[in-house]
Amino acid sequence: DIQMTQSPSTLSASVGDRVTITCRASQSISSWLAWYQQKPGKAPKLLIYKASTLEIGVPSRFSGSGSGTEFTLTISSLQPDDFATYYCQQYNTYSTFGQGTKVEIK
Amino acid sequence: ELQVVESGGGLVQPGGSLRLSCAASGFMFSSFWMTWVRQAPGKGLEWVANIKQDGSEKYYVDSVKGRFTISRDNAKNSLYLQMNSLRAEDTAVYYCARRCSSGCIDSWGQGTLVTVSS
Repeated sequence: DIQMTQSPSTLSASVGDRVTITCRASQSISSWLAWYQQKPGKAPKLLIYKASTLEIGVPSRFSGSGSGTEFTLTISSLQPDDFATYYCQQYNTYSTFGQGTKVEIK
Repeated sequence: ELQVVESGGGLVQPGGSLRLSCAASGFMFSSFWMTWVRQAPGKGLEWVANIKQDGSEKYYVDSVKGRFTISRDNAKNSLYLQMNSLRAEDTAVYYCARRCSSGCIDSWGQGTLVTVSS
């Protein structure tokens, strides 16, 4: 099974900060990686797929990069609406999610 | 408007069974892989099962193999999850979701809570 490890688990940041979240796969998944945002009590929302393709309607301050086993999600300038938990997901072999990164207000 | 709506959650005793349903609308249901994802209270997301457009391929996470069965009825635009031999660790919100063509998940339902407890 492919394991996904996100870091950090929690991130404290301020509005306007540049934020980077890392996701590592236990084996190569090419670019079959997605990022999701989830707010309390809500379903996850797709942000990025194929490692770097922005979903329609997602603000351009979100970006994704990487391939193989190392991936990053970057928020270029954190906005109040961005405080949430973020998950990576590999879909190269079945599917596995990372454990999540909570972005909280500093 | 694209929509998936789950139903069927509730309280069930350990060892019991429950069948979740998901009604899809606003898109060509028969053209998409579908999936179930769950989230235990206060925990992260866990993929549960996938099913191909025509139901000919089904895949499960190891922890539910032999106990859960995913199925679909394209004539009714509906997805199902039959859950047998339920355990306390199956307690979670279960999300029905549509897989995009590459395998990501681009549409999620609001979730239905399954609680396994005596």
